[in-house]
Amino acid sequence: AQSVTQLGSHVSVSEGALVLLRCNYSSSVPPYLFWYVQYPNQGLQLLLKYTSAATLVKGINGFEAEFKKSETSFHLTKPSAHMSDAAEYFCAVTGGNFNKFYFGSGTKLNVKP
Amino acid sequence: EAGVTQFPSHSVIEKGQTVTLRCDPISGHDNLYWYRRVMGKEIKFLLHFVKESKQDESGMPNNRFLAERTGGTYSTLKVQPAELEDSGVYFCASSHGGQGAVDTQYFGPGTRLTVL
Repeated sequence: AQSVTQLGSHVSVSEGALVLLRCNYSSSVPPYLFWYVQYPNQGLQLLLKYTSAATLVKGINGFEAEFKKSETSFHLTKPSAHMSDAAEYFCAVTGGNFNKFYFGSGTKLNVKP
Repeated sequence: EAGVTQFPSHSVIEKGQTVTLRCDPISGHDNLYWYRRVMGKEIKFLLHFVKESKQDESGMPNNRFLAERTGGTYSTLKVQPAELEDSGVYFCASSHGGQGAVDTQYFGPGTRLTVL
């Protein structure tokens, strides 16, 4: 079975500061991991995905995530936050049934000027 | 290329009424999924179509929910009769299929359902 835990339902950072959104997963099979972002009144947009290739994955808008098997983590980072990064971020895992995604409960990112 | 579209964007109904949600996937996508997010919790899988066939409906809450995808194009999700606990945001996603084990799912904006 697969599951995802996102620590922190709300994260607030200042513009220009480091963004770190945490995701820990549980999977009984080698996982594939995703980060999606949802801007207000829009659908979920794929930021990046890990599919067993490089453990450091680069995505859109300057975001990246590192797969750490020993820590069962896939944290999302961005060196310098921008006001436009304010949104809700979802981590998801899939495994044996690659078409069934398991999502975390989401983290709302607030960026202060 | 148009994205996944969902209709309506919002629906407010009374308990016991019927509501039908519609999803139009990206053209050419064989796979269509329904998910639901209740009360700010995690987004949960409901079911998966491959073309017009239900591949996995293990997440459907109960028999008050009926999903169809006639002709393998758009899909509808009917809730009849609606209960208070059905309130939430219903997301539809689609993926191309046939691209190996991991298939990126493209999501629509969701339908916010409120049952009073």
